[in-house]
Amino acid sequence: QVQLVESGGGVVQPGGSLRLSCAASGFTFSSHGLHWVRQAPGKGLEWVSLIWFDGNNKDYGPSVRGRFTISRDNSKNTLYLQMNSLRVEDTAVYYCARENVAADGTWSWLDPWGPGTLVIVSS
Amino acid sequence: DIQMTQSPSFLSASVGDTVTITCRASQTVYSYLNWYQQKPGKAPTLLIFAFSRLQSGVPSRFSASKSGADFTLVISGLQPEDVATYYCQQSYSAPYTFGQGTQLDIK
Repeated sequence: QVQLVESGGGVVQPGGSLRLSCAASGFTFSSHGLHWVRQAPGKGLEWVSLIWFDGNNKDYGPSVRGRFTISRDNSKNTLYLQMNSLRVEDTAVYYCARENVAADGTWSWLDPWGPGTLVIVSS
Repeated sequence: DIQMTQSPSFLSASVGDTVTITCRASQTVYSYLNWYQQKPGKAPTLLIFAFSRLQSGVPSRFSASKSGADFTLVISGLQPEDVATYYCQQSYSAPYTFGQGTQLDIK
């Protein structure tokens, strides 16, 4: 079945770096865009980043632009999020999610989502 | 950036009730609106895509519609398993913003 599993979360000091991974299985990885979405403790969902199916286009939310880098390895069916210059406010559960696009290329939606990995930024 | 505003933020209803959650975009998102359900301690799951299309496997008591700038999620015949937080998300332009969420409880 289609599955996404995040890893790489942990505790890091402010100003530090961390790389998250998202391992995919059960679908043609190289045919789908992928997103990162995060959720701070007790808060709502915040969209973080998107990478196209071929890795040629990327986009970022304003709070992470310039600090986070999304990438993918289609030979390994794996998505990454390199997080630098981490701040206390980056503390959150980070989810990866597969993008699905309508056959006519119009609408898109996120399904499925991984279970998430927790990142804690604290001194 | 497009801001998504949901209302209400909290909702308490009885089993069997019909509940309505509204989402409004700060600028037009056309029909590029999705709804997600997040149960406590779990990852979000897709309920509705393209503003009104029910995801496969989602019970038919869930429905959604659009009227002008307002998008509406309706649960007809609330069930105990519907306790969750519901989020709208626009997929029209990046950043693909979410509403702040509506937490639904059973009375």
